[in-house]
Amino acid sequence: DGGITQSPKYLFRKEGQNVTLSCEQNLNHDAMYWYRQDPGQGLRLIYYSQIVNDFQKGDIAEGYSVSREKKESFPLTVTSAQKNPTAFYLCASTPQRGPLNYGYTFGSGTRLTVV
Amino acid sequence: RKEVEQDPGPFNVPEGATVAFNCTYSNSASQSFFWYRQDCRKEPKLLMSVYSSGNEDGRFTAQLNRASQYISLLIRDSKLSDSATYLCVVNTNAGKSTFGDGTTLTVKP
Repeated sequence: DGGITQSPKYLFRKEGQNVTLSCEQNLNHDAMYWYRQDPGQGLRLIYYSQIVNDFQKGDIAEGYSVSREKKESFPLTVTSAQKNPTAFYLCASTPQRGPLNYGYTFGSGTRLTVV
Repeated sequence: RKEVEQDPGPFNVPEGATVAFNCTYSNSASQSFFWYRQDCRKEPKLLMSVYSSGNEDGRFTAQLNRASQYISLLIRDSKLSDSATYLCVVNTNAGKSTFGDGTTLTVKP
């Protein structure tokens, strides 16, 4: 079955450490996204990519980095510059280069906690 | 003022009740609208698109009112399994999505 796979499901980060969250899709979708969700809040866009080797900053990109070397993969690195990284991170994709006509398909998420 | 606003609830209703949620948006250039369902500690899942003509899927009906800039979700004959948080999403034609903070529904026996 096609879908989006995120790993790990839970991740613990020490102060000053960089961590990378994995996101892989086999839906043949063009566009991929990273969202962050804090308790009781809506999703906020971190980065998105509409095509391989190209990506754009979202609303809260500071302290994060991404790459899009393959259509199927869009990993997110949370750097030590991100001062409040504890959150639920969701990877998503859409068939075309934007969500206008189709809804997002989400992965099952990664819960990141700073220890 | 937030671009997209939802009543956070919680809405506590008995089984079999009809419940409605609204979601207001401020950007008049918004082009497409969706409702998602999110279970506790899970990812959002697409529930339905919202059209000006209305969209019905079983017990669920979604409506768009462009003049007043809001969308609505109506759930008839509520089931225990409908308990979840319902998120609205508003998209502009530039491809920007804004998520509401969600409305929590609890259906009780």
